[in-house]
Amino acid sequence: DAKTTQPTSMDCAEGRAANLPCNHSTISGNEYVYWYRQIHSQGPQYIIHGLKNNETNEMASLIITEDRKSSTLILPHATLRDTAVYYCIVRGTGNQFYFGTGTSLTVIP
Amino acid sequence: EAQVTQNPRYLITVTGKKLTVTCSQNMNHEYMSWYRQDPGLGLRQIYYSMNVEVTDKGDVPEGYKVSRKEKRNFPLILESPSPNQTSLYFCASSFAGRANTEAFFGQGTRLTVV
Repeated sequence: DAKTTQPTSMDCAEGRAANLPCNHSTISGNEYVYWYRQIHSQGPQYIIHGLKNNETNEMASLIITEDRKSSTLILPHATLRDTAVYYCIVRGTGNQFYFGTGTSLTVIP
Repeated sequence: EAQVTQNPRYLITVTGKKLTVTCSQNMNHEYMSWYRQDPGLGLRQIYYSMNVEVTDKGDVPEGYKVSRKEKRNFPLILESPSPNQTSLYFCASSFAGRANTEAFFGQGTRLTVV
């Protein structure tokens, strides 16, 4: 599975959109981009995933560049409860999810 | 509700005293796995199972055992716990071989070995 690169930390003002970038330049054609988050020491929580098209659900939007080498997770209106570590993961047909160190997002009042 | 349930959530034990952490899922997933999470090291896979009676080592299997006698259960066994196994443990499950389906994680078990 391809590796990902994320910034170590980011801040976002409450109520504003949080845009979390991820680079995955070695992604292959059949690999999906997944986003999870971990609040404090709780279990990782699934947010969204996509292959090549942009995706949106009730939690977030996922924007994948046309060459698929990078993506952005968008939390449209960040709240204090969105403070967490966000993990970008590239996954093929292998079953393991490889978690890096993620981006620590702090939402500021 | 789809969920992965781990028990116990917190456990303090002494060195050498055998313990088992249970994991159960209600989604009929074939694939189950155990991770440990330590500061600065992220989540590392301990063992995984592709289906009933099929288990294999992950990245950090030393000191652990698992079994998969039923599809829904995947207990983690520490035969002789040591202080370096003090960690936060997560169980996860998913459908096997499907890149388009997410994994579900339990709420974690914080283990302290003294």
